Amino acid sequence: AQTVTQSQPEMSVQEAETVTLSCTYDTSESNYYLFWYKQPPSRQMILVIRQEAYKQQNATENRFSVNFQKAAKSFSLKISDSQLGDTAMYFCAFMLRSSNTGKLIFGQGTTLQVKP
Amino acid sequence: DGGITQSPKYLFRKEGQNVTLSCEQNLNHDAMYWYRQDPGQGLRLIYYSQIVNDFQKGDIAEGYSVSREKKESFPLTVTSAQKNPTAFYLCASSGWQGGGETQYFGPGTRLLVL
Repeated sequence: AQTVTQSQPEMSVQEAETVTLSCTYDTSESNYYLFWYKQPPSRQMILVIRQEAYKQQNATENRFSVNFQKAAKSFSLKISDSQLGDTAMYFCAFMLRSSNTGKLIFGQGTTLQVKP
Repeated sequence: DGGITQSPKYLFRKEGQNVTLSCEQNLNHDAMYWYRQDPGQGLRLIYYSQIVNDFQKGDIAEGYSVSREKKESFPLTVTSAQKNPTAFYLCASSGWQGGGETQYFGPGTRLLVL
């Protein structure tokens, strides 16, 4: 069975600085997706970034980038130039590419507070 | 605009009552999902449907039921058998974007027990 672990329940960062959120996962499969989702106070779940496991290049989306270490089963999210609107709960999630369910397996989440 | 809508935003359930949460999508996605989120926790899968007229139990299906009569709609019923229904419920649909599969979420329904 696959598991996802986020070991940082809460983090804070000053506006305009950079912060890294950690995520580790466990799987015996080789073909999968990894995601970071953002859940602001409105509780809407918003996709931040997606990484395909077969791709060696780390995904980037504007100020958001990942450090994907497949052998170490690590998938961290770096937020550059943090903004107040980045304040949210961030979830790391795993999906098997070959799955016939499309089920997402979520970590427990990291609450990020961006301070002015 | 394409997206996923959920209604109502807030729902109150009396003891012994069944309640139904609505989920509609106009993204033309085949697959749809229901997740439950408890305070300070990640999401857990209740039910999913890969195609019309077919659905499967997820990890915590007891006390819930679903139907999938139309591609666009995937309503969730919280039955009286669900003893702890207070939670935030999120509906999602899944499709291909940029060469990979991705799930997109609705705005959620908060269910409270009176």
